[in-house]
Amino acid sequence: DAGVTQSPTHLIKTRGQQVTLRCSPKSGHDTVSWYQQALGQGPQFIFQYYEEEERQRGNFPDRFSGHQFPNYSSELNVNALLLGDSALYLCASSLGTQGETQYFGPGTRLLVL
Amino acid sequence: AQKITQTQPGMFVQEKEAVTLDCTYDTSDPSYGLFWYKQPSSGEMIFLIYQGSYDQQNATEGRYSLNFQKARKSANLVISASQLGDSAMYFCAMREAWSGGATNKLIFGTGTLLAVQP
Repeated sequence: DAGVTQSPTHLIKTRGQQVTLRCSPKSGHDTVSWYQQALGQGPQFIFQYYEEEERQRGNFPDRFSGHQFPNYSSELNVNALLLGDSALYLCASSLGTQGETQYFGPGTRLLVL
Repeated sequence: AQKITQTQPGMFVQEKEAVTLDCTYDTSDPSYGLFWYKQPSSGEMIFLIYQGSYDQQNATEGRYSLNFQKARKSANLVISASQLGDSAMYFCAMREAWSGGATNKLIFGTGTLLAVQP
């Protein structure tokens, strides 16, 4: 049973650049959520995708955008990177949007210089 | 606003002993879910246990049990017979109530770093 996978594992960018992170959900799951985890903090919800649409969004600026593909995989895009965007980005998948347990991937560590 | 509070930044426990990690929550919604996740140094969040607000029994999953005290708004995680591999960050999380209906959005606490000593 394939779990949630994310790529790349690590990424280094400079301020102002753009980045794309990728996520494949756990087998059988159709909903993907993205979280940002700054050092020493708990994860913060960015947004959730279901049926290829953004269904709910956390308190993040429009620089953060996403996409979900027909195979349920998802991308997180961040434009005009700031130093404060340095964090671990976690993808979580679930079946549906009715409060089911989410399973997380290993994350992508982004460092913005 | 909904909130999760974990007041223990770090905990030590001897191998084979039990340990309790504290979690309190704040919500005005009668329907909510509480989760515990383990995060090793590798970064992946590993789901441990879930408790629904209407569940009559405290949740248990192997060596993990959740001490759910609804009136006190607490959902403490109990790990029995600690193992060296239990050393990790532990996060308590709550599924948020939302005007749009049920949601998968989780609100996390700040975590507790558990160190199991041989």
